[in-house]
Amino acid sequence: EVQLVESGGGLVQPGRSLRLSCAASGFPFDQFTMYWVRQAPGKGLEWVSGINWSSGTVGYADSVKGRFLIFRDNARKSVYLQMNSLRVEDTALYYCTKGRTGWGGPDYWGQGALVTVSS
Amino acid sequence: QSALTQPPSASGSPGQSVTISCTGTSSDVGGYNYVSWYVQHPGKAPKLVIYEVTERPSGVPDRFSGSKSGNTASLTVSGLQAEDEADYYCSSYAGNNIFVFGSGTKVTVL
Repeated sequence: EVQLVESGGGLVQPGRSLRLSCAASGFPFDQFTMYWVRQAPGKGLEWVSGINWSSGTVGYADSVKGRFLIFRDNARKSVYLQMNSLRVEDTALYYCTKGRTGWGGPDYWGQGALVTVSS
Repeated sequence: QSALTQPPSASGSPGQSVTISCTGTSSDVGGYNYVSWYVQHPGKAPKLVIYEVTERPSGVPDRFSGSKSGNTASLTVSGLQAEDEADYYCSSYAGNNIFVFGSGTKVTVL
């Protein structure tokens, strides 16, 4: 059974940093692209970032480019999202998702980690 | 990276069908067959119901079907059931390792 467990969320002041982690199990982690998707309170889904199996290909939404960094550790079966220069508008539930083949988009989703950016 | 356009709401009676549209551009929906659909019940994580435009994951009822014409993809839910009342989102690959989601559609079962 595919399991994705996010951690690292919390309350942070604007301009500060936070790192989210996602521990994966139940599938060959080193063979799949991983993504982060967020959902602001009461709003829709927003794709944030993705990283392929080898870390050789990454992508970022314009809204986070230059501030967020995605990386993975295949030995630890984990993917991370380093979030710098956080803004109030980054407040959201951040989902870790497993990709389908290649860059086919998310299939399995974690339960999310809540990030609140507020002074 | 603009969100794909979905109608805010759709509705149908039990047993009827409802179709949700997802309109993008030739740079996303129209350019790739990586269109997916997700259902999200209140307080829950999204669940994949359609991938690669028309494909259903194992375990998803065949009441869910997808299609695409030009820059618009569609999800049809046939034989509506009370449990289908939820938010539905489309997504598409948009090239250059970027994805985009739709604005979301709230489906109400009357």
